[in-house]
Amino acid sequence: KAGVTQTPRYLIKTRGQQVTLSCSPISGHRSVSWYQQTPGQGLQFLFEYFSETQRNKGNFPGRFSGRQFSNSRSEMNVSTLELGDSALYLCASSISITGELFFGEGSRLTVL
Amino acid sequence: GQQLNQSPQSMFIQEGEDVSMNCTSSSIFNTWLWYKQDPGEGPVLLIALYKAGELTSNGRLTAQFGITRKDSFLNISASIPSDVGIYFCAGQLGGYGGSQGNLIFGKGTKLSVKP
Repeated sequence: KAGVTQTPRYLIKTRGQQVTLSCSPISGHRSVSWYQQTPGQGLQFLFEYFSETQRNKGNFPGRFSGRQFSNSRSEMNVSTLELGDSALYLCASSISITGELFFGEGSRLTVL
Repeated sequence: GQQLNQSPQSMFIQEGEDVSMNCTSSSIFNTWLWYKQDPGEGPVLLIALYKAGELTSNGRLTAQFGITRKDSFLNISASIPSDVGIYFCAGQLGGYGGSQGNLIFGKGTKLSVKP
């Protein structure tokens, strides 16, 4: 059974640019969540999608957005990048909205 | 916001030693989860706990859901080199049917090999 797949794995952007990250959940999983991981703040919840609907959103500015498609694949977008957006962005899927999250390997974003 | 205090922040292990780490909070959680993250990888679920007092093992790993529902601990017995990595606890508020947004992560315990 394939795990959670995130693309791209690594990317470098400059301040002011925007970025789109993609996540394919485990087959059959309908819930997708996104987390930002930094050494200082640890794992912080960004948003959660279930059946194409955003169910919950973390405490991040409006520059961070996401969506989920009918096949449960999800994308997140960060506009007007800032240096502080440099982080590992993790996507996780679960069968339903419970705590057993299965994480992807992450997309490491560096903003210069 | 909600916080989990995970300790220790880091520790060094020698092969064969037992390791203990724990998470505490002032909030009551309905689920406790323990994850391990290797460098360059995403966290991998090790153990899930759903009931206060529950003690669950996964090979050399044992985790318990505290009676007060405000804490959990993870023990690793007879550690081996591949145990190095960062271990995260996570507590979920709201119980089944809640939201992943109610899942709070600790800052992690970094396990390294003793020089």
